Amino acid sequence: LAKTTQPISMDSYEGQEVNITCSHNNIATNDYITWYQQFPSQGPRFIIQGYKTKVTNEVASLFIPADRKSSTLSLPRVSLSDTAVYYCLVGAPTGGFKTIFGAGTRLFVKA
Amino acid sequence: DAGITQSPRYKITETGRQVTLMCHQTWSHSYMFWYRQDLGHGLRLIYYSAAADITDKGEVPDGYVVSRSKTENFPLTLESATRSQTSVYFCASSGTGTVGEQYFGPGTRLTVT
Repeated sequence: LAKTTQPISMDSYEGQEVNITCSHNNIATNDYITWYQQFPSQGPRFIIQGYKTKVTNEVASLFIPADRKSSTLSLPRVSLSDTAVYYCLVGAPTGGFKTIFGAGTRLFVKA
Repeated sequence: DAGITQSPRYKITETGRQVTLMCHQTWSHSYMFWYRQDLGHGLRLIYYSAAADITDKGEVPDGYVVSRSKTENFPLTLESATRSQTSVYFCASSGTGTVGEQYFGPGTRLTVT
């Protein structure tokens, strides 16, 4: 199972773009990269998922380089409500699906 | 209502007692998961299930038992609760083919005294 490494915390200001990078050096060929967001006293919420190159949805973008050993979650124009913990996960469903949530990155958005 | 629910939301129990946490989902998702989250930490997988009657251990299974007789339910039992099992427990589900996309319940805050 591929483990991930993320910064423990990040600070930003409203309106800025925030990029959170995740390292996953031993990612396997059939692994996908998934990001979740968690607010206090709530369960994590799926943000975005990708396998390679770039994925974009209405909330975020996910950039994955060719070697797939890292990925970057990009949050455009953050607001105070984006203050949360962001988790990067790497895993695949074949042969049993086990997910490992690391400690995550605590993003604090200031006014 | 559609979605994933957990009960109870809060539970206080004593050391040595058996406790069962319930999880119910209405999407007919194949995969279901149980996690625990200790204060200030990330989530750790306890058990998961790929389908009814199929379960497997996660990262921290000791002291827990699961069953899945029906697709929609995935109860988690603490056979003999210990103080170290004080935590917030989250249940999640995922449909077949939605790789990694899990939908989480609201959590159960369990305190073992």
